[in-house]
Parts: sequence; structure tokens; C-alpha cells
Amino acid sequence: GAGVSQSPSNKVTEKGKDVELRCDPISGHTALYWYRQRLGQGLEFLIYFQGNSAPDKSGLPSDRFSAERTGESVSTLTIQRTQQEDSAVYLCASSLGLGTGELFFGEGSRLTVL
Amino acid sequence: AQSVSQHNHHVILSEAASLELGCNYSYGGTVNLFWYVQYPGQHLQLLLKYFSGDPLVKGIKGFEAEFIKSKFSFNLRKPSVQWSDTAEYFCAVNAPGNTPLVFGKGTRLSVIA
Repeated sequence: GAGVSQSPSNKVTEKGKDVELRCDPISGHTALYWYRQRLGQGLEFLIYFQGNSAPDKSGLPSDRFSAERTGESVSTLTIQRTQQEDSAVYLCASSLGLGTGELFFGEGSRLTVL
Repeated sequence: AQSVSQHNHHVILSEAASLELGCNYSYGGTVNLFWYVQYPGQHLQLLLKYFSGDPLVKGIKGFEAEFIKSKFSFNLRKPSVQWSDTAEYFCAVNAPGNTPLVFGKGTRLSVIA
């Protein structure tokens, strides 16, 4: 597709369950980012991938969060044993390279943990 | 660590009013600066960016922003807003090189007829 695609667009889960969120970046974009946006808050950086380099995981809030990326394509963000404070919109973005500045965002995955 | 402050949480303006949204950042070195916009029901998109050169940058839809290094500011302006400018606006900063963007909390702009 032409843009960044995220799925699911909405996910409601029960506390303690695991969830997987998927991001399909723009073809050719080597950098991929995950951000979290809680209600009334700004975008909180979680993790980024740049080509085949080791990802920068410095923003992951706890060891319940992990992410993988296959080459320069799809990425999956996994949240284990979800908590109510994990409820947020999870945004994925891609760019031609790290530091180029223009991020192209997907529409986000809205996660609600009951 | 870098941080970005957006002073206004929610701004309400009438059509044709002038707009200025504040953005300050905390980082002592060279920075790249950005404004992103999120229209209702749409994804975030780039409005304008500053890397170097002329500190007054122009973006899409008549928006501009001025980088004032001494004030660590990058305020967004538009001389005359339209109803279609209703959106949430995010200021962001990063240090050149391999660093991710750091975003402010956003300012919601509501333009009323």
C-alpha cells in the first residue's frame, strides 16, 4: 500500500492477556518506530528499528513490551500480561532513514484493557 | 534528555483570527524541529520542519514557524485560520543523527465559525 498500515485498528482485551499489534511500513523505508499515545498525553517513544542494526529499545516501559521486525518490512509489537495502564493508541511510523525527520504515521491501533 | 513543552492544551479561535502555538524544547545542542498535525480521524502528518538555514520556515496550508535559538522556541503561526485547521498540533525535536523524535503533548485547535 501507499501508506503505513496498522492492525488491528481497535483491540479490546482483558487484563492479563497478551496482545500483538502489527505494522506494515512504507516499502523502502528502512527506519520504523513505535510510539504510544495515552489519552491527553503526547507521543511517547517506545522503540525504533533502523535497517539491520540492533533496535533502540530505550523507550519500552517494561519487560512486558517487546517488538520485532523482519528485515525492513513488517514489525510486531507485543504486550504481555496487559494492564489497564497499557490502554492507549499505539502508533507506528516509518521513514527513509533515521534522522531524516519526516515520519510517516499509520492510523494507530487503539488498545483498551478492561 | 530532550523534552518538548507545548504551553497551550486547547486553543479556540474564530475563523480569520491569527494563530500562534508555543513550543519550547530543552536541548543544548543542534536540533531538528518539526510540527506535525493530526486532523480529526486522520493520521499524523508533517506540517513543516527546520534543519538549518533560514529560521523562518514555511509549511503547507499557510503555516509557518520561527526558530529562535536563544529562546529554545519554535512557535507555529498562521495569520488567518480556517475551520478546516481544526486539528491537534504536535511539536517535535530530535538531535541530528540517529535519534528518534521527541514529541510534545500536543495542542488541540478548535476553529469556530
